[in-house]
Amino acid sequence: AQKVTQAQTEISVVEKEDVTLDCVYETRDTTYYLFWYKQPPSGELVFLIRRNSFDEQNEISGRYSWNFQKSTSSFNFTITASQVVDSAVYFCALGSGGYQKVTFGTGTKLQVIP
Amino acid sequence: SQTIHQWPATLVQPVGSPLSLECTVEGTSNPNLYWYRQAAGRGLQLLFYSVGIGQISSEVPQNLSASRPQDRQFILSSKKLLLSDSGFYLCAWRRKARYTEAFFGQGTRLTVV
Repeated sequence: AQKVTQAQTEISVVEKEDVTLDCVYETRDTTYYLFWYKQPPSGELVFLIRRNSFDEQNEISGRYSWNFQKSTSSFNFTITASQVVDSAVYFCALGSGGYQKVTFGTGTKLQVIP
Repeated sequence: SQTIHQWPATLVQPVGSPLSLECTVEGTSNPNLYWYRQAAGRGLQLLFYSVGIGQISSEVPQNLSASRPQDRQFILSSKKLLLSDSGFYLCAWRRKARYTEAFFGQGTRLTVV
């Protein structure tokens, strides 16, 4: 069975602060892939990043960065210099088991206060 | 480019009434298709997925069913809605290639009253 845990239910930060969203996953598969999605108030999920289990390189995209550590089964997401537009629910997800199913965490609601 | 359409955007239905939500994908062929439900304040629960026409896998026992009558059409149905069916329903598609991300529709907010 696969599982994704996002222990932070809600986070509030003041604009321009850095914030890290935690994600811990469980899977018995040796090959899997991880995602982060953003869900703004409009509801549609927006894909942010995909990371494969055999690629532990961290990634930076503008103000966003991701830290993938297989040793701790974590795939954390950091927003640097947060902005009000970053306010949303962020989901971490795990894909494995023949690549047909993707399991989502319960999401972290981020509120950036101006 | 690929697009996914999901409708209606909002729906209010009485208990015991039928349900039909439709999702179509454009710009790709033979995708994997998914229905997720998001209850208020909770994560996404996978309800059904389909790897081809007429092939439906159910993840959780429930009052809902899914069908895939055409390659890029995925329908979520119920014969009699329950209050507990209320939620935000999202359709998604993925390419069959390995390690591909899912793309989501705009969602349908269903309220059963």
